[in-house]
Amino acid sequence: AQTVTQSQPEMSVQEAETVTLSCTYDTSESDYYLFWYKQPPSRQMILVIRQEAYKQQNATENRFSVNFQKAAKSFSLKISDSQLGDAAMYFCAYRSASSNYQLIWGAGTKLIIKP
Amino acid sequence: DVKVTQSSRYLVKRTGEKVFLECVQDMDHENMFWYRQDPGLGLRLIYFSYDVKMKEKGDIPEGYSVSREKKERFSLILESASTNQTSMYLCASSLTGNTDTQYFGPGTRLTVL
Repeated sequence: AQTVTQSQPEMSVQEAETVTLSCTYDTSESDYYLFWYKQPPSRQMILVIRQEAYKQQNATENRFSVNFQKAAKSFSLKISDSQLGDAAMYFCAYRSASSNYQLIWGAGTKLIIKP
Repeated sequence: DVKVTQSSRYLVKRTGEKVFLECVQDMDHENMFWYRQDPGLGLRLIYFSYDVKMKEKGDIPEGYSVSREKKERFSLILESASTNQTSMYLCASSLTGNTDTQYFGPGTRLTVL
């Protein structure tokens, strides 16, 4: 069975600096998708970034980028120029290409932004 | 913008009560999901529906049932609430063909006393 591990329950970063959130996963499959979702305090969960396993190029979305290491089964999220609005729980998730809906979720990392 | 709404933000019920949690989406999405979110455990899928009257069990369906009589509405039912069902419940929806982008509701924090 696939598992997703986020080893950092909480991280903090100074405003305007860069922070990296870690995620590792375990799977025997070669075709899958990885995601980072963000859940701000008392607000809806939203998709931040998505990565297809067959793509070597790391996904980026503005200040958010990933470091996808397929062999190491690692999928970290880098947030550049951290802003107060980035404070949230961040969840890493995995989906097998053979499932069209089932996401396997990590436990989450709480990101604190220090002004 | 996609909007997913849940009937209550906070709910307090007694052990043994029947509890209904409702979720409504306004974007004609085929797929709807109910998750349970607990600290340190991430999100766990309770049930999934890919069409009206269609449902599939997720990872933790025990003690729960669901109903989807209309495309926009997906209800989670706790037939006899227990204290171990105290949790945050999240509803989500997605389009078939783009199931990776799930749109979430604000959540219902349920306390069972």
